[in-house]
Amino acid sequence: GAGVSQSPSNKVTEKGKDVELRCDPISGHTALYWYRQSLGQGLEFLIYFQGNSAPDKSGLPSDRFSAERTGGSVSTLTIQRTQQEDSAVYLCASSPGPDRDSNQPQHFGDGTRLSIL
Amino acid sequence: KQEVTQIPAALSVPEGENLVLNCSFTDSAIYNLQWFRQDPGKGLTSLLLIQSSQREQTSGRLNASLDKSSGRSTLYIAASQPGDSATYLCAVFGSARQLTFGSGTQLTVLP
Repeated sequence: GAGVSQSPSNKVTEKGKDVELRCDPISGHTALYWYRQSLGQGLEFLIYFQGNSAPDKSGLPSDRFSAERTGGSVSTLTIQRTQQEDSAVYLCASSPGPDRDSNQPQHFGDGTRLSIL
Repeated sequence: KQEVTQIPAALSVPEGENLVLNCSFTDSAIYNLQWFRQDPGKGLTSLLLIQSSQREQTSGRLNASLDKSSGRSTLYIAASQPGDSATYLCAVFGSARQLTFGSGTQLTVLP
């Protein structure tokens, strides 16, 4: 597609429910990132996928968070047993890949605004 | 651990003024520094990317400089317009292959 696409744009759910957030990166981009933007913490890195390599999960805040990337394209971020502190905007970004990371910016989607009641 | 600081947190200027936004970072081992713009309810739009070997980049009325040794970058906006009102974010990209962001400068340009 023309840009990074995220769905849903907004999600309201009750505490304790599981949620899935989807990211469709720019076609041909091998690198995919998830970030979280919350009022108290600013923008934080969550996870990084590069091609078929094992993802860098170092930013995931707890084991309730997981992500997968199928076929090197679409990614899903799953939050289990949601808590109120999970309320934030979840942003996805993609870039061409490590060979060009030094001179190519990351392209961001519009995010999913998650509200936990 | 890399830390990025942006000053000021908020800025309000009349239309037509030139302005400077500041960014500092603690670890100079970076691949590049990026400036983004974020409008309310939207994602981030890349404005300028400066590679670690470069000193500055220009795009239209925007000019960004990088002094890697001192851990500083500035974003200069010339002849500001109301449409420039947004939050401006600075981020550095390093060997960890993730962007580390500052907390942003919220800019308001008054007509």
